[in-house]
Amino acid sequence: DADVTQTPRNRITKTGKRIMLECSQTKGHDRMYWYRQDPGLGLRLIYYSFDVKDINKGEISDGYSVSRQAQAKFSLSLESAIPNQTALYFCATSDFGLAGGGDVDTQYFGPGTRLTVL
Amino acid sequence: GQNIDQPTEMTATEGAIVQINCTYQTSGFNGLFWYQQHAGEAPTFLSYNVLDGLEEKGRFSSFLSRSKGYSYLLLKELQMKDSASYLCAVRDGDYKLSFGAGTTVTVRA
Repeated sequence: DADVTQTPRNRITKTGKRIMLECSQTKGHDRMYWYRQDPGLGLRLIYYSFDVKDINKGEISDGYSVSRQAQAKFSLSLESAIPNQTALYFCATSDFGLAGGGDVDTQYFGPGTRLTVL
Repeated sequence: GQNIDQPTEMTATEGAIVQINCTYQTSGFNGLFWYQQHAGEAPTFLSYNVLDGLEEKGRFSSFLSRSKGYSYLLLKELQMKDSASYLCAVRDGDYKLSFGAGTTVTVRA
């Protein structure tokens, strides 16, 4: 079973609709992140959460909101979707702690959600 | 903020070696990561450097020079399955990652 899952995997919606993307993880990590990826651009951070009571804006948070319902769940909402929010969205998790090999706080990514806003 | 530069595309022959360079300017540095991403799939972790020098993992090696703001990923004995995008990412003092746009490597037979 995958450690980080995202639902839905694909979604087509219309301008103005409210959309929620969900992320769940079984890795037991405290930290969770939402990114979007556009062709020719790097992954850009939307929001991140270092524990259940912690929510922080990333580089491009306008038009998005998040909810950290539990350690294992982190949801991203588009309150009123617009076409330029069409992108590939990734959730990631990490664990701030000493890990073997010195890979401290390495982020592990879910499979992605392809969102199209018409 | 972070400014991370890497070449857009590289092409190499199966069995050869390719070096992907990454330069960065940061407002804080707490490690550099390399990820591999096949088209339409999730990025997967390849390597991590926080101290100067070379880290080797099988066919892949990564080098860091903090004073020069420079890293490279070296892929040896290229295989067709290595055709992918390679993402350079810098972690800042707040433990957030900033990614370069990625380098698409095409391996030819």
